[in-house]
Amino acid sequence: AQKITQTQPGMFVQEKEAVTLDCTYDTSDQSYGLFWYKQPSSGEMIFLIYQGSYDEQNATEGRYSLNFQKARKSANLVISASQLGDSAMYFCAMRGNNNAGNMLTFGGGTRLMVKP
Amino acid sequence: EPEVTQTPSHQVTQMGQEVILRCVPISNHLYFYWYRQILGQKVEFLVSFYNNEISEKSEIFDDQFSVERPDGSNFTLKIRSTKLEDSAMYFCASRVQGRDEKLFFGSGTQLSVL
Repeated sequence: AQKITQTQPGMFVQEKEAVTLDCTYDTSDQSYGLFWYKQPSSGEMIFLIYQGSYDEQNATEGRYSLNFQKARKSANLVISASQLGDSAMYFCAMRGNNNAGNMLTFGGGTRLMVKP
Repeated sequence: EPEVTQTPSHQVTQMGQEVILRCVPISNHLYFYWYRQILGQKVEFLVSFYNNEISEKSEIFDDQFSVERPDGSNFTLKIRSTKLEDSAMYFCASRVQGRDEKLFFGSGTQLSVL
């Protein structure tokens, strides 16, 4: 079974500063994928970034980067130069190797609030 | 960018009634999913669907739930006899072939069971 833990229920960041959202995971699978999604107040789920367990380099997508530390089983999301529009819920999710449907297991989320 | 479309955005129903939530996945996608999110809780997997059959389902997806792809474009979730605890946001999602391909989510249907 897979488990995703996001220990920060809420965080504040000053506009234009960087912020790190924590995510740790637990799995016995050798091959897996880690995802981050953003959920603004309107409710939709927006894909941000993906990291495969065998990827040697940390993933980056624009202002988003994933700090992947495999030995520590952590996949923290770093948002650089925060913007007011970054205020939202952020979910870390994992796709394991041992399920036919390739389903995602989600963490409990972190609510990020960007201060002007 | 292509998107997953869900209708309706809000649905209110009486306990015991049947509801059908509708989704139009992205046209070249092959894998389809339903997830739900009870208010204030994490997103939970319900069911995955590939090649016109269920490939995996969670414990939540009991006999009251069913999915169907009646034509080449729609993907529906039916709840046969709704319960109060079925109140949640229901997300449809889809992706192309390939395990590491990102999942595209729709905007969700907020289901309220009274």
